[in-house]
Amino acid sequence: QLQLQESGPGLVKPSETLSLTCTVSGASISSSSYYWGWIRQSPGKGLEWIGSLYYNGNTHYNPSLKSRVTISVDTSKNELSLKLRSVTAADTAVYYCASPYSNGWSFFDQWGQGTLVTVSS
Amino acid sequence: QSALTQPPSASGSPGQSVTISCTGTSSDVGGYNYVSWYQQHPGKAPKLMIYEVTKRPSGVPDRFSGSKSGNTASLTVSGLQAEDEAEYHCSSYAGNNNFAVFGGGTKLTVL
Repeated sequence: QLQLQESGPGLVKPSETLSLTCTVSGASISSSSYYWGWIRQSPGKGLEWIGSLYYNGNTHYNPSLKSRVTISVDTSKNELSLKLRSVTAADTAVYYCASPYSNGWSFFDQWGQGTLVTVSS
Repeated sequence: QSALTQPPSASGSPGQSVTISCTGTSSDVGGYNYVSWYQQHPGKAPKLMIYEVTKRPSGVPDRFSGSKSGNTASLTVSGLQAEDEAEYHCSSYAGNNNFAVFGGGTKLTVL
């Protein structure tokens, strides 16, 4: 059974870099032919796709965030990571790790519980 | 402002049917058959209910169905039950490797 668990600092200062990790259990990121992604939800607002990484390392990013985002994988730890640079209060959100866990790519069938990140000085 | 437009709220009585719309453009909803719908209860992660316009993941009741006409996709919930009360989000592929643009969400109330 696939499980996704996000972790990282709950508070980040403006202009700094937000760094989150998604620990994947029940499947190997590098050997499963699936996409793995990050999605966020600002308080009281809708969802926003941040980006997705294919098992071979190829990445695709939301055009509005592309200049500030890096998604990567640590195969030794089976972890997906997210780095978002130069954050502002607008980046305050619950960040989810998710995957189609299938040959799909445009949808997300498996989700972590999410982690709240607040950007504040 | 969200890329896709959803009504902020919808409601229906138990047993009734309700349809939630999701309007985009020819560059997203109208251009591809990659529309998804998610159900989200308060404080919980979203749950995939429909993908690729009409497909239901294993375990999702057949009371939930999806469709699309032009630039508007729809989610229909038939035989409303109390547990269907939740926020529903639509998403669509938007081309150029922009995997998912979302709507602002619709709060479904079961009266």
